[in-house]
Amino acid sequence: NAGVTQTPKFRVLKTGQSMTLLCAQDMNHEYMYWYRQDPGMGLRLIHYSVGEGTTAKGEVPDGYNVSRLKKQNFLLGLESAAPSQTSVYFCASRGAGTDTQYFGPGTRLTVL
Amino acid sequence: GNSVTQMEGPVTLSEEAFLTINCTYTATGYPSLFWYVQYPGEGLQLLLKATKADDKGSNKGFEATYRKETTSFHLEKGSVQVSDSAVYFCALSQTQGGSEKLVFGKGTKLTVNP
Repeated sequence: NAGVTQTPKFRVLKTGQSMTLLCAQDMNHEYMYWYRQDPGMGLRLIHYSVGEGTTAKGEVPDGYNVSRLKKQNFLLGLESAAPSQTSVYFCASRGAGTDTQYFGPGTRLTVL
Repeated sequence: GNSVTQMEGPVTLSEEAFLTINCTYTATGYPSLFWYVQYPGEGLQLLLKATKADDKGSNKGFEATYRKETTSFHLEKGSVQVSDSAVYFCALSQTQGGSEKLVFGKGTKLTVNP
């Protein structure tokens, strides 16, 4: 059981480039989440999904898009990266009827 | 809206010292309350939780009691170890848009020296 995995672990982008972060979970969880973590800000919710084929906006969705084509995967896309998107990104998942989220190890993204 | 306020760090203690990290919340209804821990270079892990007033969550020697009257969920440990050095996040759950979501505090960095 790998739990929640994230790919890649590190990435450096130039302003205007695009990329996709992949989150995968093998716990058959219904709910999946993308957060960003910035110094002194805690974790802020970007987008989330309540099931395969669904997505919804969180607290800070601007500049990001997501897709949940398969239950086990939740993709976070940056179409045109900006320096303000330099952050550590965490994915999490949660099973239906439970309140505990399980987090991945994070992706450190730097936008120059 | 719902929010969580936790004491600002960093907190530096010697091994075997007593730890308290304060956490207060603002919420409508009765959310579940959580403490998550983030060890260096890792993702967040659930440390403990409480789902209703007066519940006490405990794990690895850490404890926190859900106090509705003071809207608090302070984290305590009687004797910290070097291995407890980490960032600690207080969080509450809220239901919005058909899904439960977590609202986090800003985190408190703890360093324990030998």
